[in-house]
Amino acid sequence: GDSVTQMEGPVTLSEEAFLTINCTYTATGYPSLFWYVQYPGEGLQLLLKATKADDKGSNKGFEATYRKETTSFHLEKGSVQVSDSAVYFCALSDRTGGFKTIFGAGTRLFVKA
Amino acid sequence: GAGVSQSPSNKVTEKGKDVELRCDPISGHTALYWYRQSLGQGLEFLIYFQGNSAPDKSGLPSDRFSAERTGGSVSTLTIQRTQQEDSAVYLCASSLSGDTQYFGPGTRLTVL
Repeated sequence: GDSVTQMEGPVTLSEEAFLTINCTYTATGYPSLFWYVQYPGEGLQLLLKATKADDKGSNKGFEATYRKETTSFHLEKGSVQVSDSAVYFCALSDRTGGFKTIFGAGTRLFVKA
Repeated sequence: GAGVSQSPSNKVTEKGKDVELRCDPISGHTALYWYRQSLGQGLEFLIYFQGNSAPDKSGLPSDRFSAERTGGSVSTLTIQRTQQEDSAVYLCASSLSGDTQYFGPGTRLTVL
């Protein structure tokens, strides 16, 4: 079945450092890919998404490119801020799976001032 | 417009009691999902409703768990004979087409 694997955390960075959180997936169809973020004490919210191969999703300085050849959707940000400290979830939604969304285990990011 | 709402926000119950958790999705959203998030853990899929189709119950951990969606809108997740391992945050999400999901604030369930 479909699955999502993302790097284990926690990830601890200093402010202004470069961030990469790896995410790979397996899917039988052609899924849409997502990154969701959960800030401390808040609910999950969509950060960015991409619906087809080579699409790049971007939001709040974060980017991720849908790479079909490597089945990856790595999250990147050039310069993190303390306010980016949160848990990040990679996810896929596959039409052939009835749009059931599969989430990765989440990666906790701590950014130090 | 209003987002996804869930009630109660917190529920404390005794082991063996039944609980009902409610989710009000965004109006017009055809898909509704329930997840469970244990402390420091990821999201565990529980059940998925899409329109009038039979729900995908493949994530329900035991027959003590059930869910209904009435009139294609409000959903209730019921846990019978609660156990301490049921303690978690229960999240509901809705989506228009099964694509982007919009999450509610969750119900924190504590089973004593």
